[in-house]
Amino acid sequence: DTGVSQDPRHKITKRGQNVTFRCDPISEHNRLYWYRQTLGQGPEFLTYFQNEAQLEKSRLLSDRFSAERPKGSFSTLEIQRTEQGDSAMYLCASSLTSGGQETQYFGPGTRLLVL
Amino acid sequence: SQKIEQNSEALNIQEGKTATLTCNYTNYSPAYLQWYRQDPGRGPVFLLLIRENEKEKRKERLKVTFDTTLKQSLFHITASQPADSATYLCARYSSASKIIFGSGTRLSIRP
Repeated sequence: DTGVSQDPRHKITKRGQNVTFRCDPISEHNRLYWYRQTLGQGPEFLTYFQNEAQLEKSRLLSDRFSAERPKGSFSTLEIQRTEQGDSAMYLCASSLTSGGQETQYFGPGTRLLVL
Repeated sequence: SQKIEQNSEALNIQEGKTATLTCNYTNYSPAYLQWYRQDPGRGPVFLLLIRENEKEKRKERLKVTFDTTLKQSLFHITASQPADSATYLCARYSSASKIIFGSGTRLSIRP
């Protein structure tokens, strides 16, 4: 257990529905990241926050995706009008800025299946 | 494009032998490479980071090398055990924070 938690661990939804995932990072970590991982692939970067500011978004993050970190602590990732192609594992990670290369600590992920 | 590539074929080896996994990169020169372990249904766990000016780094039974001439990193597990069976991911920093992962190599250690 890395100290990063995600909820729910599994989600099954029908195409067109909205889903929201939550990530609770390690409490003293100021950076929070979202990644998406499909079967047989490594995680792909989606977006990251430093405190409450969203600093970078991948082109993978279409208009249907939105992420927030309102108080610089937990974060939510919402997918609107889900599509079957959204089925994947959604991973959250957190780190503490140290002026150098930081270690990211990953949560267990939320596995999404869109029917 | 800047790629980081791992052998997608699964690696099966006998317990006690040394497992060697390969990570190749093209079209750029990363300052750092990282290796992670990922178990099924879990998030990746950081193992080791190696800088371009470090030829080799060790941690217990793990050893990582970085060859900037070959544009390659090798990840070794000595005296392998069935508990070492997992997918191992090579990764580089795209920016100070963003990590780009390879597709991973699945390692199976048979008793």
